[in-house]
Amino acid sequence: GNSVTQMEGPVTLSEEAFLTINCTYTATGYPSLFWYVQYPGEGLQLLLKATKADDKGSNKGFEATYRKETTSFHLEKGSVQVSDSAVYFCALSDRETNAGKSTFGDGTTLTVKP
Amino acid sequence: DGGITQSPKYLFRKEGQNVTLSCEQNLNHDAMYWYRQDPGQGLRLIYYSQIVNDFQKGDIAEGYSVSREKKESFPLTVTSAQKNPTAFYLCASSVTSGNPFEQYFGPGTRLTVT
Repeated sequence: GNSVTQMEGPVTLSEEAFLTINCTYTATGYPSLFWYVQYPGEGLQLLLKATKADDKGSNKGFEATYRKETTSFHLEKGSVQVSDSAVYFCALSDRETNAGKSTFGDGTTLTVKP
Repeated sequence: DGGITQSPKYLFRKEGQNVTLSCEQNLNHDAMYWYRQDPGQGLRLIYYSQIVNDFQKGDIAEGYSVSREKKESFPLTVTSAQKNPTAFYLCASSVTSGNPFEQYFGPGTRLTVT
């Protein structure tokens, strides 16, 4: 079956530091890949997505590249802000094997200190 | 604006009582999902529905029930059979055709059972 493995947290960084959160996946079909963000007490919001190999998703300074050869979709940001403190979830959806359902990683908590 | 609404945001119940959580969407999505999130944990799928009048169990369906009588609505009932009902409940929706199947989340309902 499909699975998503995320870098374990929590991650604590100083403001303006470089962020990487690792994500690798296992899928039998050709999945689309996503990063979602969850702020305290809220639901998840889509941060970025990529639908095929070598696609780069980007939004709000965050980027992730769909790497089929390494089955990875690592999240990066060059300079984090205190407002980026949140939980980040990597996910995949696979139309062929999962009929549209998504598989989520366990989430990585990011805290950015001023 | 289109979106998903969940009500109420906070819900308190006594042990042994059934409680129903509301989820409504005006995105015209065919599929809807219920997840449970415990503190510091990821998402666990309770039930999902890809079409009106049909739904499937997710990974942790025991002690929960759902109905899908209208496309817009997917209420979740937490029954007295659910051993540990206190949690944060998230509803989501998605399309079922085309690609990718990103999910749109509601703001969540925090249920506390004492």
